[in-house]
Amino acid sequence: EAGVAQSPRYKIIEKRQSVAFWCNPISGHATLYWYQQILGQGPKLLIQFQNNGVVDDSQLPKDRFSAERLKGVDSTLKIQPAKLEDSAVYLCASSLQGGLNTIYFGEGSWLTVV
Amino acid sequence: KNEVEQSPQNLTAQEGEFITINCSYSVGISALHWLQQHPGGGIVSLFMLSSGKKKHGRLIATINIQEKHSSLHITASHPRDSAVYICAVNIGADGLTFGKGTHLIIQP
Repeated sequence: EAGVAQSPRYKIIEKRQSVAFWCNPISGHATLYWYQQILGQGPKLLIQFQNNGVVDDSQLPKDRFSAERLKGVDSTLKIQPAKLEDSAVYLCASSLQGGLNTIYFGEGSWLTVV
Repeated sequence: KNEVEQSPQNLTAQEGEFITINCSYSVGISALHWLQQHPGGGIVSLFMLSSGKKKHGRLIATINIQEKHSSLHITASHPRDSAVYICAVNIGADGLTFGKGTHLIIQP
């Protein structure tokens, strides 16, 4: 079974530039999460999708971050414009139906903003 | 205050030692997860539990719902067990709330 796919793995951009990350969850998984993990900290939920609807985006900095999952399958997370403090690993995860199932994580997309 | 507290933050042990990592949480939960993260790697789910005890190979996870506490044990530890172990909880049907992780180093 293919795992959660993310790209790109690594990205270096200058502040005020934009960046987009892509995630393809495990086939059939209705729930998709984007997490931000700053070095030395635990992951923080940015947004949770159930199919193509947003369940929770309370911690998403909406002035600069946006995410979509238009067809309820793959998803993109965009940052525009990027700030230095956005340097982190962006983890995508998926599960069959919500958090009461095993959650599978992608390898992460490492962002460095200089 | 973080809703999920882990201890210790850092742990260095010798190969073969029995390892215990603790997790306490302050709110009612629907499930608790133990996750493993290797440097530069993604996160792997080790256990999801809502009661009792689960075992997989040399790993054992227990949870006490009344005391709002869980432990992850590693028996006969090995250098390849070196990783960050993260406790995370589901509050209702929401996404996971994570602890800060325990950095484990097993020396040969």
